[in-house]
Amino acid sequence: GGIITQTPKFLIGQEGQKLTLKCQQNFNHDTMYWYRQDSGKGLRLIYYSITENDLQKGDLSEGYDASREKKSSFSLTVTSAQKNEMAVFLCASSPRGANTEVFFGKGTRLTVV
Amino acid sequence: GDSVTQTEGLVTLTKGLPVMLNCTYQTTYSPFLFWYVQHLNEAPKLLLKSSTDNKRTEHQGFYATLHKSSSSFHLQKSSVQLSDSALYFCALSAGGYKVVFGSGTRLLVSP
Repeated sequence: GGIITQTPKFLIGQEGQKLTLKCQQNFNHDTMYWYRQDSGKGLRLIYYSITENDLQKGDLSEGYDASREKKSSFSLTVTSAQKNEMAVFLCASSPRGANTEVFFGKGTRLTVV
Repeated sequence: GDSVTQTEGLVTLTKGLPVMLNCTYQTTYSPFLFWYVQHLNEAPKLLLKSSTDNKRTEHQGFYATLHKSSSSFHLQKSSVQLSDSALYFCALSAGGYKVVFGSGTRLLVSP
């Protein structure tokens, strides 16, 4: 088995601040994802990466940057935090190939004051 | 683009009753459908999956059948338990690495 570790678990930022969320996986999976979870809106894909140094935009990429410098890690940057924003950001990974199971981390809860 | 629709935001039931959570999808590719379950303060995890038309797939008492003719993959259980209270997501993978999730259905089971 493996695990996906997201840091920090809780993140409080200020309006306009640049914030970085980190994710590490020890599954040795090729593909990694960042999803945003809002109440009533499900999981929306921000970025994904099918291999080291690859980046693909999801449906919600505006306002975010991502980086996949190593196979095991995938970071997400909120380029300018929006006031009163509250969401949970979920990192996930899956093995090589399409249509495979996605494994999730426990999330980073972001609050912008 | 690809999309998944879950029509119920909240389903409340008494323990022992049957449940069906709806999921329909849209894609122009060959679909692979998943159901994920997320318990409170936990990560979502896979419940069951299918890409075979008209074949029932089961896990932990839950079951679903992919019907390509109606683009549906509804989740069912014949008798819900208190421990089934959770958020359920239907998800679609269609020919690529991108996985699209529905908005989720919260199931609340009361004694």
